[in-house]
Amino acid sequence: DGGITQSPKYLFRKEGQNVTLSCEQNLNHDAMYWYRQDPGQGLRLIYYSQIVNDFQKGDIAEGYSVSREKKESFPLTVTSAQKNPTAFYLCASRVEGRGRPEAFFGQGTRLTVV
Amino acid sequence: GNSVTQMEGPVTLSEEAFLTINCTYTATGYPSLFWYVQYPGEGLQLLLKATKADDKGSNKGFEATYRKETTSFHLEKGSVQVSDSAVYFCALSIQGGSEKLVFGKGTKLTVNP
Repeated sequence: DGGITQSPKYLFRKEGQNVTLSCEQNLNHDAMYWYRQDPGQGLRLIYYSQIVNDFQKGDIAEGYSVSREKKESFPLTVTSAQKNPTAFYLCASRVEGRGRPEAFFGQGTRLTVV
Repeated sequence: GNSVTQMEGPVTLSEEAFLTINCTYTATGYPSLFWYVQYPGEGLQLLLKATKADDKGSNKGFEATYRKETTSFHLEKGSVQVSDSAVYFCALSIQGGSEKLVFGKGTKLTVNP
């Protein structure tokens, strides 16, 4: 079955550590996205990528980094510079261009700083 | 800029009640509109969509009509079930634009038996 997979589902990080969240899709989608979700605040865009080897900052990119070396993969690194990283992180992908504008989401990774 | 405003929650209903969750948008260009649903601890699932004015999206008894004149995309269901309890997000994307999805803040729905 085609889909988008995030791992791990739960992640614990000590303060000062970098952690990387995985996002893989086998839908052959061009565009991929990372969102952060906090209670009562909806989804906020961290980074997005429309093509391999290219990505753009979203609304809250500070303290995060990404790479897009393969079409299928869009890992997110939460760096020690992110002051409040505890949140639910969602990865999404979709086809570039018209016809199928909807995004498909992974199951999310819940990151907790301990 | 592009934005989505949806009604504040939480919304609590009894089973078989009528549901409306309001959503209005501001957009430059011609947006596609979506409703997503999120169950506890999970990602978002597409519930329905509409890609042009006067389109009606429907799925699982939920409906929403793309109203360009009122810039709205209200979600409705005639008879809710306990299993509909979830958080509902309205969203838009601009075709041919930056391809970013813009979400509302979400509305939590609880349906009691």
